[in-house]
Amino acid sequence: DAKTTQPPSMDCAEGRAANLPCNHSTISGNEYVYWYRQIHSQGPQYIIHGLKNNETNEMASLIITEDRKSSTLILPHATLRDTAVYYCIVRAGYGQNFVFGPGTRLSVLP
Amino acid sequence: DGGITQSPKYLFRKEGQNVTLSCEQNLNHDAMYWYRQDPGQGLRLIYYSQIVNDFQKGDIAEGYSVSREKKESFPLTVTSAQKNPTAFYLCASSIDSWTEAFFGQGTRLTVV
Repeated sequence: DAKTTQPPSMDCAEGRAANLPCNHSTISGNEYVYWYRQIHSQGPQYIIHGLKNNETNEMASLIITEDRKSSTLILPHATLRDTAVYYCIVRAGYGQNFVFGPGTRLSVLP
Repeated sequence: DGGITQSPKYLFRKEGQNVTLSCEQNLNHDAMYWYRQDPGQGLRLIYYSQIVNDFQKGDIAEGYSVSREKKESFPLTVTSAQKNPTAFYLCASSIDSWTEAFFGQGTRLTVV
């Protein structure tokens, strides 16, 4: 079973920031938080990952709470092309694999 | 271009036939993975390989088989023992077991 809990769906207005929450209350000290997204009928796309510090790249920012029990993926200026299912995954590494739950279906509205 | 190539994109087979899905990567990644996705569902792990000539079963390996004879290739065979083979199949690879995985564009298999 997935170790994360995400809302099933969210809406966001185009041009606004999209904030996608994820709960991972049972996360272990050596587990990273990964975010992927999947646009309909395509393979998942890697977005970002982090351990305990906040991370930012050209696609998004990842904010991890100090206790590491939850995180938020931020798309700073959502566009229609960001409409997708977003998956939050926790994973340690060797011997573990990416466990994908149902994710959050983000709809960016014009 | 570097990446992961799955072929074909769409595949149709008759019930009772084995079918092999191709996955090739030129990223020099050690680890490779096969996932299955059913409509409206998340991904489920079928098999994974951390290194050449080694692979392990995932959560739903029954009715599937794999080989990893070359670093760049990880073909998946869907056998007639798989009860519900119609699904979207995704291959992924990562530098090693500690890093992010990158996915191919998938093969949609329909068994009639």
